[in-house]
Amino acid sequence: ETGVTQSPTHLIKTRGQQVTLRCSSQSGHNTVSWYQQALGQGPQFIFQYYREEENGRGNFPPRFSGLQFPNYSSELNVNALELDDSALYLCASSLAQGAETQYFGPGTRLLVL
Amino acid sequence: GDSVTQMEGPVTLSEEAFLTINCTYTATGYPSLFWYVQYPGEGLQLLLKATKADDKGSNKGFEATYRKETTSFHLEKGSVQVSDSAVYFCALSDAGNNRKLIWGLGTSLAVNP
Repeated sequence: ETGVTQSPTHLIKTRGQQVTLRCSSQSGHNTVSWYQQALGQGPQFIFQYYREEENGRGNFPPRFSGLQFPNYSSELNVNALELDDSALYLCASSLAQGAETQYFGPGTRLLVL
Repeated sequence: GDSVTQMEGPVTLSEEAFLTINCTYTATGYPSLFWYVQYPGEGLQLLLKATKADDKGSNKGFEATYRKETTSFHLEKGSVQVSDSAVYFCALSDAGNNRKLIWGLGTSLAVNP
């Protein structure tokens, strides 16, 4: 059974640029959630995708957008990067919408200069 | 809104010492409660969970009991090892259909030989 994978592992961007982060969910999981973890903080919920539709969103501006594909993999896009977007971005998959347990990937560390 | 409060770290213990990390929560409804662990340079791993009052979650010698009357979910281990050095996060899943996780700030644990 393959776990949750994310790419790239590390990324450096400059302010104003755009970035796309990718996530492959665990085999058999159709729901993907994205979280932002700033240094020294707990993760913050960005949004969740279930069967290619957004299923809830946290307190993040519209420049954070996402996508889920028919194979349940997902992308997180961030436009007009700001310095405060520097963080570890975590993807988690779960068996179904409303499933209690989420399984996390290793994360993508984004640095915005 | 829902929230999780964890004891602040860092916590430094000697090998074989007893560990307690306090976690309390505020929530409407009856959330599920989780402890996740983050080893240096890695993503989040589910350590244990409890889904209803008085449930005890356990894994790898760690235990936590869901206490509705005190709204707590304290993490304990009888004898810590150097390999337990990590950051520990308490989280709850909210009652919405996306069951997003709401996190504490994390508690860093260092175990010395």
